[in-house]
Amino acid sequence: EVQLVESGGGLVQPGGSLRLSCAASGFTFRNYWMSWVRQAPGKGLEWVANIQQGGSEKYYVDSVRGRFTISRDNAKNSLFLQMHSLRAEDTAIYYCARLDGDFDYWGQGTLVTVSS
Amino acid sequence: QSVLTQPASVSGSPGQSITISCTGTSSDVGAYNFVAWYQQHPGKAPKLIIYDVSNRPSGVSNRFSGSKSGTTASLTISGLQAEDAADYYCSSYTTTYTRVFGGGTKLTVL
Repeated sequence: EVQLVESGGGLVQPGGSLRLSCAASGFTFRNYWMSWVRQAPGKGLEWVANIQQGGSEKYYVDSVRGRFTISRDNAKNSLFLQMHSLRAEDTAIYYCARLDGDFDYWGQGTLVTVSS
Repeated sequence: QSVLTQPASVSGSPGQSITISCTGTSSDVGAYNFVAWYQQHPGKAPKLIIYDVSNRPSGVSNRFSGSKSGTTASLTISGLQAEDAADYYCSSYTTTYTRVFGGGTKLTVL
């Protein structure tokens, strides 16, 4: 059974940093693109970033490029999102998703709140 | 990176059919057959219900169907059931190797 479990969310002040993790199991992690998708409270889904199987190709939404970095550790079946210079508008539930053409499996999400 | 355009809400009675549209551009929906639809119930993670415009993942009811014409994709739900009440999102691959979602449509089953 495919499982994606996010962690690392919490309350952070504007301008702060946070690192999210996603532990994957139930499939051969190194064979798949992976993604982060976020959802602000009461709002719609927003794609944040993708990373290729080996980690060499990465793509970001314009609003986070230069502040967020997606990475992965295939030996540990883990996906990461390093977030810097956080803003109030980054407040959201952050979902880890497997990308097999489309986002076919999702985690339950981890909440990031940016507030003073 | 624009958001795809969906109606904010649609409604229908049990047993009826409804259609949700998703309008993009020639750089996303119109460029590839990589349009997907997701169902999200309150407090839950999204679930893939249609991929590659019109394909259903294993286990998804055949009451859900998808299509595309030009820069507009559509999701049709036939034989509406109470459990179909949820938010629905479309998404598309883009010509800049990114992904974009629609703003979401709230389906109310009357």
